[in-house]
Parts: sequence; structure tokens; C-alpha cells
Amino acid sequence: AQKVTQAQTEISVVEKEDVTLDCVYETRDTTYYLFWYKQPPSGELVFLIRRNSFDEQNEISGRYSWNFQKSTSSFNFTITASQVVDSAVYFCALSEAVQGAQKLVFGQGTRLTINP
Amino acid sequence: EAGVTQFPSHSVIEKGQTVTLRCDPISGHDNLYWYRRVMGKEIKFLLHFVKESKQDESGMPNNRFLAERTGGTYSTLKVQPAELEDSGVYFCASSQELGLGGNTIYFGEGSWLTVV
Repeated sequence: AQKVTQAQTEISVVEKEDVTLDCVYETRDTTYYLFWYKQPPSGELVFLIRRNSFDEQNEISGRYSWNFQKSTSSFNFTITASQVVDSAVYFCALSEAVQGAQKLVFGQGTRLTINP
Repeated sequence: EAGVTQFPSHSVIEKGQTVTLRCDPISGHDNLYWYRRVMGKEIKFLLHFVKESKQDESGMPNNRFLAERTGGTYSTLKVQPAELEDSGVYFCASSQELGLGGNTIYFGEGSWLTVV
């Protein structure tokens, strides 16, 4: 069975600090996809990134970066120079690769608070 | 382009009553999903429509939940009769035609249901 674990329930940092959100996953599939979503106070789940299991290159998008390591089954998310607007709940998710189907398995979420 | 829209955003009903949640997916998205997050738990998959057909309804908790997508456009999720444990956030999501399970899934803001 697939499982995603976000061990950090809550993180609080001061603005401009760097912060890393951990995500560890379990799957028996050799082909799978990993996602990060952000849930701001408005409630919507905002898509941040999708990564397939064959692409282990790290990705950087502005202040956001993602470190995918198959050897440790981790897909960690780092925010550099955090800002108050980054405050949200962040979810990591996993889906298997099945033709014509997609079901996301979510972690418990990490509530990130950036203090001014 | 409009995102996934859900109605109502909040609903408070008494135990035993009926509630119907509506979801309008992104225009042109054949795939529509329902997920929910009950208090303190992970976001969990409920079901997946491809156009008007139910592709996967393995996550539906019991027969008090009925989802429909007539005409392959918007979808409704009815809970009848509602129980206290049904309280939570119900997310709708949509995606374009699926390949090998790796499409980006776009979520709405969720419908917050409170059963008292």
C-alpha cells in the first residue's frame, strides 16, 4: 500500500529564515508521481510541483526548491528566505502510474507559520 | 480561465439532514475527483469520474454518499442522512485527459461541512 508521511505537524520560523518541509513516502511501484500542494488560509489546494519517479533532478522555482531522493524515499521541500505569505499548510502527495486512473495519497500536512 | 469552483463554501446541518455539494471543474477537464478531509485526518480520495462515468469509487465511505456527474460537466455529492462523522472539508478536483497517471490535478477551495 502507498503511504506518505509528513512528520512535521507544525513549523514556525521567523521571516527570511530558510525552512525545509520533509516528506517520506512508501510505494511498491517502480513508476509513480510525487506532488506538493499549498493550502493558504483561503482553503484552496494550490498545485506547486509534480515529479515522476524517473526524474531525480532537483528543481528550483524562485525561492522554492525540491530535493527528490529515491534512495531514501524522500521528496523534501525547501523555502529560501521565507516570507509571511508563505504561511500555509503544505501537503505532499503520491500517485501511482496507472493508465487512465489517478488517485492521490496525501500526507498529514505541515502547518508552516512565518512570523514577521 | 476559471478554476475548480465548489458550492456551498460552508454548510452547517443537523444530523439526519441531507446536504448536496456541487462542483464545477475546469472547462474541458474530463476527469473529476472528490476528496475529503475529516478533522485531524489526511485528505482522502473518494471517487473519480471520467466524463459521466465513475472510474473509481473505492473511497466512498458508505451508501449514504451518492455522487453524480450527469452530462459529464458539473458533479454533485449528496450525503443522506448526514452523520456527525461526516463533518470535514470536501474537495473537488479536476484534470485533463489522463496518460499514465501523472497529470496535474487542480483542486477547488473545498466545501466545509459541519454536522451538528
